[in-house]
Amino acid sequence: LPVLTQPPSASALLGASIKLTCTLSSEHSTYIIEWYQQRPGRSPQYIMRVKSDGSYIKGDGIPDRFMGSSSGADRYVTISNLQSDDEAEYYCGESHTIDGQVGYVFGTGTTVTVL
Amino acid sequence: EVHLAESGGGLVQPGGSLRLTCVASGFTFSSYEMNWVRQAPGKGLEWLSYISSGGTTIHYSDSVKGRFTISRDNARNSLYLQMNSLRAEDTAFYYCARDQNNYGSPQRFDYWGQGTLVTVSS
Repeated sequence: LPVLTQPPSASALLGASIKLTCTLSSEHSTYIIEWYQQRPGRSPQYIMRVKSDGSYIKGDGIPDRFMGSSSGADRYVTISNLQSDDEAEYYCGESHTIDGQVGYVFGTGTTVTVL
Repeated sequence: EVHLAESGGGLVQPGGSLRLTCVASGFTFSSYEMNWVRQAPGKGLEWLSYISSGGTTIHYSDSVKGRFTISRDNARNSLYLQMNSLRAEDTAFYYCARDQNNYGSPQRFDYWGQGTLVTVSS
């Protein structure tokens, strides 16, 4: 099964920027991923799609402070002007087909703390 | 405004069954693919199942294949998950999620419901 690797935690000061990483397994290094945000006690919210060329498409209502990028097998979401409301768990997700079987896998998530 | 509302969760004994419902509003339900995703308390997200807009294409994760059945009723704007042979490890919040793309496979979950808690315990 494909694996999406995410650091367990990240932190930055209020008003600063933070860059979150999602690393795809080598055989899936060109895949598209999606980013999701889950605030404490809430259901997940869609943030954006990031492609291997670094282009990204945001979901409805996602502020301009959120940007996507890519480098090799790494996919990023950068949050600028960090707000307390950005404290959340961030997951990446990837769709795949292996031996004809369709599936979807999420990364283990990164907990973002705003200092 | 897009709205998804799950219901049907609760306490069930190991080996029991439960049927979850997700009622959609604010968009043309019959035009969208749908998914079920769950999250054990304090844990990460796990995709479970996908169904195409017309209900003709269905996919499951290995963890629920053969035990869970996804279905939909477009006339009722409703998505279902029939869960049989439940185990303690099925205890989780269950979310329905709309799929933005029309690729015939789970892709991009752009709207989620608030979730319903399923607890499997004796």
